[in-house]
Amino acid sequence: DVKVTQSSRYLVKRTGEKVFLECVQDMDHENMFWYRQDPGLGLRLIYFSYDVKMKEKGDIPEGYSVSREKKERFSLILESASTNQTSMYLCASSLGGTGSQETQYFGPGTRLLVL
Amino acid sequence: AQTVTQSQPEMSVQEAETVTLSCTYDTSENNYYLFWYKQPPSRQMILVIRQEAYKQQNATENRFSVNFQKAAKSFSLKISDSQLGDTAMYFCAFMKQRTGTASKLTFGTGTRLQVTL
Repeated sequence: DVKVTQSSRYLVKRTGEKVFLECVQDMDHENMFWYRQDPGLGLRLIYFSYDVKMKEKGDIPEGYSVSREKKERFSLILESASTNQTSMYLCASSLGGTGSQETQYFGPGTRLLVL
Repeated sequence: AQTVTQSQPEMSVQEAETVTLSCTYDTSENNYYLFWYKQPPSRQMILVIRQEAYKQQNATENRFSVNFQKAAKSFSLKISDSQLGDTAMYFCAFMKQRTGTASKLTFGTGTRLQVTL
């Protein structure tokens, strides 16, 4: 089974703090994704990575950056946390390729509260 | 750009009954995939079922089946013999066939399903 883990289930931070959310997958997947989930809005893509050190912006990248130094690890960085970044953050990964290899598998999520 | 619409924010069904969750999407693509994901309360999002647009046959996974109507751009999920463990938020998602770097999912806003005794 694919396993995607996230470093924290719950996180409380202050406005202006630098926040790191970590995601690790153990299936040698090429692609990794960061989403945020808000009530009534579903999941929205922040950033994704298709290889080590390679990244692309998603639909809502403003206020976020990412890092992928190793294939199994994908970090989401909030450079200066703001209250409107309070949300549930979900990481996902996919093998890459075509067909069923593009199916994404999700981590348990990190619920971030910015005060 | 693709959009996915789930018009039922909340639904309720009694145990052992059948329920259908609706999903419509808008795209100009011909080759794509559709998914239903399930997110139980405080638990991980898991894949329920997957449909390739080029396949006319509707996908099934045990008690879960879809009604895929490509011309109507409709992709509903039917849950038969509902169980308490089916209580969850259900998301419909669209993915166009990969061109370039990686395939991205576009999600609907979700339907919260409550299964009652």
